[in-house]
Amino acid sequence: GAGVSQSPRYKVAKRGQDVALRCDPISGHVSLFWYQQALGQGPEFLTYFQNEAQLDKSGLPSDRFFAERPEGSVSTLKIQRTQQEDSAVYLCASSLRTGRAYEQYFGPGTRLTVT
Amino acid sequence: AQRVTQPEKLLSVFKGAPVELKCNYSYSGSPELFWYVQYSRQRLQLLLRHISRESIKGFTADLNKGETSFHLKKPFAQEEDSAMYYCALKRGGSQGNLIFGKGTKLSVKP
Repeated sequence: GAGVSQSPRYKVAKRGQDVALRCDPISGHVSLFWYQQALGQGPEFLTYFQNEAQLDKSGLPSDRFFAERPEGSVSTLKIQRTQQEDSAVYLCASSLRTGRAYEQYFGPGTRLTVT
Repeated sequence: AQRVTQPEKLLSVFKGAPVELKCNYSYSGSPELFWYVQYSRQRLQLLLRHISRESIKGFTADLNKGETSFHLKKPFAQEEDSAMYYCALKRGGSQGNLIFGKGTKLSVKP
């Protein structure tokens, strides 16, 4: 079956613009995670959904970052008034459930460049 | 604080040589540790996890709680092993987000 998909794959935004990044998890996966990966770094956790409920948003770097998953499937990460430090690859991952037995499957990422 | 440290940014070995990618962690609890791999132009994928105690593509990793390490080893490296390798720690509780190290780029030369 299809894996996690993300769109767009690449996004260039001028500083101050708003952007929206989409994640389509694997069908039936309850848990959805967003990570931010800056150049030369490992992925860093942003936020987590269980179905439509956002259970943890402790990793969101500022109130300019907002994520939603209104119907418990597709998720959107929105960044308002983008800044240069927002340039990174944004990764989405899904898993059937949370807990030790369940693997997180990653999407290809969206590379955001803020100019 | 929960942290994963991969001290080497780049590791270069010749084909057939043994390889060891180092990973140390800091976690107050019972850790769950993973190695993820990212081949060129591919997405991040799970290589192995400590609870499975399995060998994948000839790689093994043993959790050493005394040294708080989870080093990845392979006795004979192959060129197709060239990739970025990330060690990751899963937070306990019901949530389970991953905490990653900065990654080590493995280059296997012919």
